[in-house]
Amino acid sequence: KAGVTQTPRYLIKTRGQQVTLSCSPISGHRSVSWYQQTPGQGLQFLFEYFSETQRNKGNFPGRFSGRQFSNSRSEMNVSTLELGDSALYLCASSLTSGASSYEQYFGPGTRLTVT
Amino acid sequence: GDSVTQMEGPVTLSEEAFLTINCTYTATGYPSLFWYVQYPGEGLQLLLKATKADDKGSNKGFEATYRKETTSFHLEKGSVQVSDSAVYFCALSEPPDALNFGKGTSLLVTP
Repeated sequence: KAGVTQTPRYLIKTRGQQVTLSCSPISGHRSVSWYQQTPGQGLQFLFEYFSETQRNKGNFPGRFSGRQFSNSRSEMNVSTLELGDSALYLCASSLTSGASSYEQYFGPGTRLTVT
Repeated sequence: GDSVTQMEGPVTLSEEAFLTINCTYTATGYPSLFWYVQYPGEGLQLLLKATKADDKGSNKGFEATYRKETTSFHLEKGSVQVSDSAVYFCALSEPPDALNFGKGTSLLVTP
């Protein structure tokens, strides 16, 4: 079974631009979560989508948004990029949502650099 | 709110040494606890988990026991290998189920 895939793997953008990252979950998984990883703040939860609905949201500004499609694929968008948005963005999928013991499977991440 | 505290790294060990990475947590309810591992250039992989007090998670020679009385979930391995060099993250999950990670502990195992 194929793992979680994220595209693109690397991205360089300029301040003020916007960016869209894509995540394809493991087949059959309906929940997709997004995390931001930086050296200073570590891993921080952005949001979770389940059945095309946002189930949970972390403490990030409204410039960060996401969506999920009917095939469970998910995208996240960051508008008006700032230098501090440079990070590794990780997507994770799981079978379902609402049960804390369910395992999350992570993709390799998208490395975003904002200049 | 919920939080996870891990020992600061980096941790450097010789091959076949004993490994302990400390992890303590703060939670209002009864979280599930996890250890994830991140190899260079890769995403996170679930290493082991425990869903209730006194549960022991184990995988690939690594073990951790959910200790509610000390709010701890320390990771141990009896004999580390060079291939265990990675960053290890302790995490908890409590409804509404977002994973809450520690800062990570970098482990370097030398031959």
